[in-house]
Amino acid sequence: GESVGLHLPTLSVQEGDNSIINCAYSNSASDYFIWYKQESGKGPQFIIDIRSNMDKRQGQRVTVLLNKTVKHLSLQIAATQPGDSAVYFCAEIYTGGFKTIFGAGTRLFVKA
Amino acid sequence: EAGVVQSPRYKIIEKKQPVAFWCNPISGHNTLYWYLQNLGQGPELLIRYENEEAVDDSQLPKDRFSAERLKGVDSTLKIQPAELGDSAVYLCASSSNGGTQYFGPGTRLLVL
Repeated sequence: GESVGLHLPTLSVQEGDNSIINCAYSNSASDYFIWYKQESGKGPQFIIDIRSNMDKRQGQRVTVLLNKTVKHLSLQIAATQPGDSAVYFCAEIYTGGFKTIFGAGTRLFVKA
Repeated sequence: EAGVVQSPRYKIIEKKQPVAFWCNPISGHNTLYWYLQNLGQGPELLIRYENEEAVDDSQLPKDRFSAERLKGVDSTLKIQPAELGDSAVYLCASSSNGGTQYFGPGTRLLVL
């Protein structure tokens, strides 16, 4: 897919507000989706996943929504904290072909 | 439980020199991945191992890159000779039977 390069989409939110990060995926056959958080100098860290037979899944302070009709995935973070500042990647997986494709990422900046 | 371990964390070399990266996956994970991550972009798969077998190396530039996972546990990724454009973060991830991937901290390579 097309890369964003250095110009990552950036979302800036106030501490305590809710954040919504969006992702469009490409393969309609993808049947498993993951959101990763990557802090500076670290590898991507698993946050939450969802299978294609679901449209919503909740974790601790995070919710993932899946809309297969428009191939759209979102990550909602409740009561955003400074420690949530990072780059967030969505990944789509086609388990039949063991193919994982990462999106370009969104940088979340939390203002104290 | 220890996560994915990578070494070195940082490497600076001159172009045309060889370089090698090492990865120790999470204990019991049979699937191992090497990714390349350029600044501001998502990880891009280089190679995937199922135990000691490389089952997807379609994105590995085989003229200069090589990898091995001789005993189905640790893995080494090598570049010889390195080029300026190889400067990036090299991430290793592991999973159980192609499930959720867990990433190491990465090796940051700078080719001068």
